[in-house]
Amino acid sequence: DVKVTQSSRYLVKRTGEKVFLECVQDMDHENMFWYRQDPGLGLRLIYFSYDVKMKEKGDIPEGYSVSREKKERFSLILESASTNQTSMYLCASSGPGVSGELFFGEGSRLTVL
Amino acid sequence: AQRVTQPEKLLSVFKGAPVELKCNYSYSGSPELFWYVQYSRQRLQLLLRHISRESIKGFTADLNKGETSFHLKKPFAQEEDSAMYYCALSNTNAGKSTFGDGTTLTVKP
Repeated sequence: DVKVTQSSRYLVKRTGEKVFLECVQDMDHENMFWYRQDPGLGLRLIYFSYDVKMKEKGDIPEGYSVSREKKERFSLILESASTNQTSMYLCASSGPGVSGELFFGEGSRLTVL
Repeated sequence: AQRVTQPEKLLSVFKGAPVELKCNYSYSGSPELFWYVQYSRQRLQLLLRHISRESIKGFTADLNKGETSFHLKKPFAQEEDSAMYYCALSNTNAGKSTFGDGTTLTVKP
């Protein structure tokens, strides 16, 4: 079974703090993604990566950055957290030959006070 | 640009009734379409994809290119079908997917 693990399930941070969200997958997938999930807004793509050290902006990259130093790990960074970044963050991965099927982590619920 | 529209945010049916969750898309190429489901306190997971043309948990979805739709159907809803359902479109660019806003399905006893 594909396993995508997000290390932090729940975080509470203060405005202006730096936040790291970590994601690890164990299926040697090339592609990794960060989405945010908000009620009524569906899933919106923040950043994605199709290879180590490669990254591409998604639909809402402002206020976020990412890091992919190893194939299995994809980190989302909020340099200075703001209240409008309170959300559920979902990491996903996909590999070749599965026509874009995404495998998701359990999510990280971030609250910024 | 690719876009996915799910017109119903909430859908409520009684157990045993037919259910249809609507999904419309816009995409200039040949789309790959998926339905994902998220049950309460579980991770988002694939329900079915159009290329496999299979039935999963009694659900089917047919791609209608003329109407640019990919509606999800089940003839007899069960209470355990209550969940959030997302329609998604994938392009060939590293499997990047665009999701609809989601439909919360409630199946009442």
